[in-house]
Amino acid sequence: AQTVTQSQPEMSVQEAETVTLSCTYDTSESDYYLFWYKQPPSRQMILVIRQEAYKQQNATENRFSVNFQKAAKSFSLKISDSQLGDAAMYFCAYRSAGTGNQFYFGTGTSLTVIP
Amino acid sequence: NAGVTQTPKFQVLKTGQSMTLQCAQDMNHEYMSWYRQDPGMGLRLIHYSVGAGITDQGEVPNGYNVSRSTTEDFPLRLLSAAPSQTSVYFCASSPRGGGNEKLFFGSGTQLSVL
Repeated sequence: AQTVTQSQPEMSVQEAETVTLSCTYDTSESDYYLFWYKQPPSRQMILVIRQEAYKQQNATENRFSVNFQKAAKSFSLKISDSQLGDAAMYFCAYRSAGTGNQFYFGTGTSLTVIP
Repeated sequence: NAGVTQTPKFQVLKTGQSMTLQCAQDMNHEYMSWYRQDPGMGLRLIHYSVGAGITDQGEVPNGYNVSRSTTEDFPLRLLSAAPSQTSVYFCASSPRGGGNEKLFFGSGTQLSVL
């Protein structure tokens, strides 16, 4: 199984400020996909952003962007202009491109947004 | 679209009881999977399936059985519930081989084993 590590159990950010959530992973594969999911208190799992390993360009989705460093096996999420609605648990996930296409998740980072 | 439907939403069991968590999807996804979510441990893969008749173990399969007789359904069975199986369970599906296709999640089942 692939290992996905989120070393920040909890983070906080002031409203309108920027915060970066860290994620590292361990793999011997060259082709794979990375995701960030958001889980608000409703327990719903919401896709925030995704990145293909073969793409050098970092993905962006409005206020969300990633810093993908393939050699370092790092995939951090940057949230700009933080809003109260961004408060949630954030999970980093790895998907193998090989047999099975399993998804593996990190332990999550709980983000608090301070008004 | 219904997406991924999980039932029940809540369940309380006594130690040793058995039960089945139901999962159905109407998107014709080949890949289906079960996760459990525990505080501080994220989502851990229990079992997964890449198509009807094909299942395989994930990271934490002990105490759980699955089957996949149709593309739509992927039930999770607890044969003899234990307190350690108290958790939130998610069913999720995705097109197989879709690369960057996301996982579609059900709404989760809160299971308590007393």
